[in-house]
Amino acid sequence: SAVISQKPSRDICQRGTSLTIQCQVDSQVTMMFWYRQQPGQSLTLIATANQGSEATYESGFVIDKFPISRPNLTFSTLTVSNMSPEDSSIYLCSVEGLNTGELFFGEGSRLTVL
Amino acid sequence: KNEVEQSPQNLTAQEGEFITINCSYSVGISALHWLQQHPGGGIVSLFMLSSGKKKHGRLIATINIQEKHSSLHITASHPRDSAVYICAGYGASGGGADGLTFGKGTHLIIQP
Repeated sequence: SAVISQKPSRDICQRGTSLTIQCQVDSQVTMMFWYRQQPGQSLTLIATANQGSEATYESGFVIDKFPISRPNLTFSTLTVSNMSPEDSSIYLCSVEGLNTGELFFGEGSRLTVL
Repeated sequence: KNEVEQSPQNLTAQEGEFITINCSYSVGISALHWLQQHPGGGIVSLFMLSSGKKKHGRLIATINIQEKHSSLHITASHPRDSAVYICAGYGASGGGADGLTFGKGTHLIIQP
């Protein structure tokens, strides 16, 4: 199993600013996944963060808007840059069990942009 | 692109009732997750299954790959079961979590 600590749990931000979300896993994992969940919507994968290489972004998400760091096998950050009210969402990090395929999620970061 | 549909979108029931949440998908999948999302936003994995049925406590999940359908059942429901339940499927060719398609979730409220 994996325990994921994610912070901040929530924040209220001003338009045009940036916020960095941190995700710490209690075990080493190859890939970490960052999701966005807009109000009333399903989870959407933003990018896959691999240690030692550039993150892989899904269609509709770009590195300039959502830069990701993955300095080691237990930690990753997602930055939401130049925020607008449309960025108000829950952001979640996730890892997958090595041999089980079980999914583990952080507690989520609820972001409100005014 | 696979579409994952959940029904109902919202469900309010009385404590003790038997609950069924359905998940159907438009394209074949290899396996499916059932997840529980708490009001604060955190998500917990309930089941991962590729065939048949799994049971954990009062929760039962079934899947029929051929019929592209899965169900989550809650027996003897309790107010603490109130949450959003999400199904997510892997593509038919398998792959990792980056290949998951998520449903929008079913918002369940169990009243005392």
